[in-house]
Amino acid sequence: DQQVKQNSPSLSVQEGRISILNCDYTNSMFDYFLWYKKYPAEGPTFLISISSIKDKNEDGRFTVFLNKSAKHLSLHIVPSQPGDSAVYFCAASGLKGNQFYFGTGTSLTVIP
Amino acid sequence: EPEVTQTPSHQVTQMGQEVILRCVPISNHLYFYWYRQILGQKVEFLVSFYNNEISEKSEIFDDQFSVERPDGSNFTLKIRSTKLEDSAMYFCASHRVRTGELFFGEGSRLTVL
Repeated sequence: DQQVKQNSPSLSVQEGRISILNCDYTNSMFDYFLWYKKYPAEGPTFLISISSIKDKNEDGRFTVFLNKSAKHLSLHIVPSQPGDSAVYFCAASGLKGNQFYFGTGTSLTVIP
Repeated sequence: EPEVTQTPSHQVTQMGQEVILRCVPISNHLYFYWYRQILGQKVEFLVSFYNNEISEKSEIFDDQFSVERPDGSNFTLKIRSTKLEDSAMYFCASHRVRTGELFFGEGSRLTVL
């Protein structure tokens, strides 16, 4: 049962433009959401998080938006840089458990 | 900057052999996890550990798997009798508070032949 879904396996964006990565979830009990970036042969690296009491969180070039009614979150990267090329995972967790559920990832390629 | 460290980085083993993957979480962290990622697939939760006991485990974490925190620093994942389908990257993760971000190690690649 895939509780967190990233429907786009890959995305290509020109350097300097906006990258938008999307994530959908099914469990309304999730209250904390995170985005991770992963390079090949490395562990996931935390990027940004948002709790369900907010609808937006910003950190430098990265902004996460949460739409609770649609059970949807997105990560915006502006401006995109070649070093942003990696696989991005969204993850979610809920009050009753400490398990984090990961999406399948979106491979972002930023073209110079 | 504190980090989660994992050893070995790569282990090759024969099917049926026992494997122990080791992790040193960040020192003041209280919650510990093992995740795995089979090549090309999603990152999957295996088990969480808090207060010296398993707090949650997935269907993947069957009787072949066990975790232990034998001392104050190491957190180990043991696979008793490895199968071909256990080949994956295994990631250890930790965090200080349950709602905080997870810090991941670099992963241990397990290849079962």
